[in-house]
Amino acid sequence: EVQLVESGGGLVKPGGSLRLSCAASGFIFSEYSMNWVRQAPGKGLEWVSSISTSSNYIYYSDSVKGRFTISRDNAKNSLYLQMNSLRAEDTAIYYCARGMPAAFNWFDLWGQGTLVIVSS
Amino acid sequence: EIVLTQSPDFQSVTPNEKVTITCRASQNIGNFLHWYQQKPGQSPKLLIKYASQSFSGVPSRFSGSGSGTDFTLTINSLEAEDAATYYCHQSRNFPLTFGGGTKVEIK
Repeated sequence: EVQLVESGGGLVKPGGSLRLSCAASGFIFSEYSMNWVRQAPGKGLEWVSSISTSSNYIYYSDSVKGRFTISRDNAKNSLYLQMNSLRAEDTAIYYCARGMPAAFNWFDLWGQGTLVIVSS
Repeated sequence: EIVLTQSPDFQSVTPNEKVTITCRASQNIGNFLHWYQQKPGQSPKLLIKYASQSFSGVPSRFSGSGSGTDFTLTINSLEAEDAATYYCHQSRNFPLTFGGGTKVEIK
């Protein structure tokens, strides 16, 4: 089955760190760009970060630049998001989403999301 | 940053009615505009890519049009299962951005 499964969310104090993972299966992970998109409770979608197939191209939203690091391990079919210096406004469901082969366009496959709560 | 403005924010519609949602970009994005459907408690699903191309498996009542700065998602003959929030998304430039969403409620 083609799917993405996120993990690693939880409750963390402001200033703390968390590492999210996204396990891909059912498709050739190394051929697709990958992305993180988040959704604060009751709010809309917000793009967070994108990474190309070979990790040569990486992009971040201004709101997370310098605090979050996206990475991938094609051998393990996995995408990661290292989140440091977390703030209350980072509280959200974090989705990993598959992009296009060798390009950044639409997101055609989404995981179920993992909830991150930043609170003291 | 390219800002996407969706309208309306909310729409209450009777089954079998036609629904039209618009998305306006703050600058020319060509056809790098995509539409998603998100039902309550679920992750988003791709409906339309490149402004007008239906994604695989999407019912034919969903269609998209437009280019440049003005885009439209149309749902012909709304069904009860179409109750959801709809988002547009541009991939012309980084940062990638989404519209604020349009919630469609079934009367």
